[in-house]
Amino acid sequence: DTEVTQTPKHLVMGMTNKKSLKCEQHMGHRAMYWYKQKAKKPPELMFVYSYEKLSINESVPSRFSPECPNSSLLNLHLHALQPEDSALYLCASSQSGQYTEAFFGQGTRLTVV
Amino acid sequence: EDQVTQSPEALRLQEGESSSLNCSYTVSGLRGLFWYRQDPGKGPEFLFTLYSAGEEKEKERLKATLTKKESFLHITAPKPEDSATYLCAVQAYNSGYSTLTFGKGTMLLVSP
Repeated sequence: DTEVTQTPKHLVMGMTNKKSLKCEQHMGHRAMYWYKQKAKKPPELMFVYSYEKLSINESVPSRFSPECPNSSLLNLHLHALQPEDSALYLCASSQSGQYTEAFFGQGTRLTVV
Repeated sequence: EDQVTQSPEALRLQEGESSSLNCSYTVSGLRGLFWYRQDPGKGPEFLFTLYSAGEEKEKERLKATLTKKESFLHITAPKPEDSATYLCAVQAYNSGYSTLTFGKGTMLLVSP
């Protein structure tokens, strides 16, 4: 089973709202990632968690706040977003942080109004 | 800086018409090269990992190959259900953790 589950599939939020995206995997992977993808563009890395610790933050604005409660779950908390933050948010996981393929979830389509 | 360039940007084929997609890369020490398939509005689906020049992987109508400078994804006798965007990514080594640098993708359309 190579499934990464993301919820919700779609989210519309106002610029003053607070919302969270959730990601879950049960493959025993110890590295988890958040990517952002704009239309007709490749995915761009936002955050990397390894063994539940934040390892990489690609200079992401503080209105995006990641959290890794345990080895199977990854959250992305959203607050005071801008319309330009509208995108497909992808979660991925890999067996470890090194030399292994990453498996992606189906994404959350976020629209900020 | 790691770079990945995919060509062509878009490719239209007739069903059964074989072709190849190209991914050229520059990376300071290739750890791995990955091919993904992405359908509109969905997450990328893992296809292949290639680690060293000369390596080949096959899956149904797809075959991926790797040289020291580029990778090819060969599609043999494609079907309409092979229509998707194909993404190539190289694995970098960033502060002890692997991260993926993606190309812009090739959008493949296979007509019946």
